Amino acid sequence: QSVLTQPPSASGTPGQRVTISCSGSASNIGSNSVNWYQQLPGTAPKLLIYSNNQRPSGVPDRFSGSKSGTSASLAISGPQSEDEADYYCAAWDDSLNGVVFGGGTKLTVL
Amino acid sequence: QVQLVQSGSELKKPGASVKVSCKTSGYPFTTYTMNWVRQAPGQGLEWMGWINTKTGKPTYAQGFTGRLVISLDTSVNTAYLQLSSLQADDTAVYYCARGGGSWSNFDSWGQGTLVTVSS
Repeated sequence: QSVLTQPPSASGTPGQRVTISCSGSASNIGSNSVNWYQQLPGTAPKLLIYSNNQRPSGVPDRFSGSKSGTSASLAISGPQSEDEADYYCAAWDDSLNGVVFGGGTKLTVL
Repeated sequence: QVQLVQSGSELKKPGASVKVSCKTSGYPFTTYTMNWVRQAPGQGLEWMGWINTKTGKPTYAQGFTGRLVISLDTSVNTAYLQLSSLQADDTAVYYCARGGGSWSNFDSWGQGTLVTVSS
């Protein structure tokens, strides 16, 4: 049971906008920034979005992040086949005094 | 460029200990924290702890205190994870991850080390 809640799966076509949610609480998302990771099959996770909505150099601008209250979202505008991966949200939790992850969302591009 | 290179796969018996290394290059080692994250087969990511590379002070996630040691050798820019009293549910890929600007911002990752615990 993960502290942050994500849907187990999401899907979309290259012409759609896909959104992945991440729900937390006041002690984590409500008071700390959210980061998103992409994990392609058989590889290490990669930082995709940091500080709620910032993209590291090299991350395509079809990926965007947002946060409101105790929830955050990752949006993918026009997902490509190479975006098929698992996506994880993460945040610091003040009560647990540690980093918590969401359970992950598997993205399928139709 | 920034590189984190981990040691190879390990097969351990229940009750044993394992030590995994993470050798870094391409950046000033003591400028960034180092974290350890594990992933059981088919499961999600679990943060285990982090170490302040300037002071050497580790912090462990709840549930690992007592059997996890995170350490450094700054002379070779390497971080270590040692986990003792291994059980089957410790079977996982263990990753080192460099800490970026905020607590859960891990901007570079090692390739992962598979630790299998089996009798």
